[in-house]
Amino acid sequence: QSALTQPASVSGSPGQSITISCTGTSSDVGARNLVSWYQQHPGKAPKLMIYDVTKRPSGVSSRFSGSKSGNTASLTISGLQAEDEADFYCTSYTSSYTYVFGTGTTVTVL
Amino acid sequence: QVQLQESGPRLVQPSGTLSLICSVSGGSFNNNNWWTWVRQPPGKGLEWIGEISDRGTTHYNPSLKSRVIISVDKSKNQLSLELNSVTAADTAVYYCGRNSGWSIAVWGQGTLVTVSS
Repeated sequence: QSALTQPASVSGSPGQSITISCTGTSSDVGARNLVSWYQQHPGKAPKLMIYDVTKRPSGVSSRFSGSKSGNTASLTISGLQAEDEADFYCTSYTSSYTYVFGTGTTVTVL
Repeated sequence: QVQLQESGPRLVQPSGTLSLICSVSGGSFNNNNWWTWVRQPPGKGLEWIGEISDRGTTHYNPSLKSRVIISVDKSKNQLSLELNSVTAADTAVYYCGRNSGWSIAVWGQGTLVTVSS
């Protein structure tokens, strides 16, 4: 299984909105609505931000939202804040009962 | 609240076996949970290694399937990871996690394992 494709980096100014894409295939992202997004700060464990494409765990800011169209999922961060600067990874359940992570995106707040 | 803690040798010889334990506190293995291992080579992205259910059903990354075994020890509230025939490419931070549905809701802090002679 190949890693899902994400842009290497995305940047934005405080207060702006940014979107990170996550492109897979009909065997993973496009198969079911089982895409999750994780935020990882340097030296820390990942943190779940979005699950089942659009759902937010308790405690995660409403500034984070997810969507999907076909084989591409997206994470949008609105009202960008300095604390949002981190690496973000998507992951999808696959039709082979496995998971595949995205290549990762570094978000920079200008 | 469930907490996870990885432990094991930090240095493994090439061609040897990497063995890690994930100790679970505040939770148990009798609630139809799934537990996951993920790794991250230094400076690189996350890689899914595999998962195991409370009942012992496993799913593995096809690229690692021939070398990996994940198991649970309910009496000790632990899950374990064994990866054999390791090379320098297996050097990584290894994380254990507890799934919630089809995502990893709880993560351990991770442990760096280096493969080197």
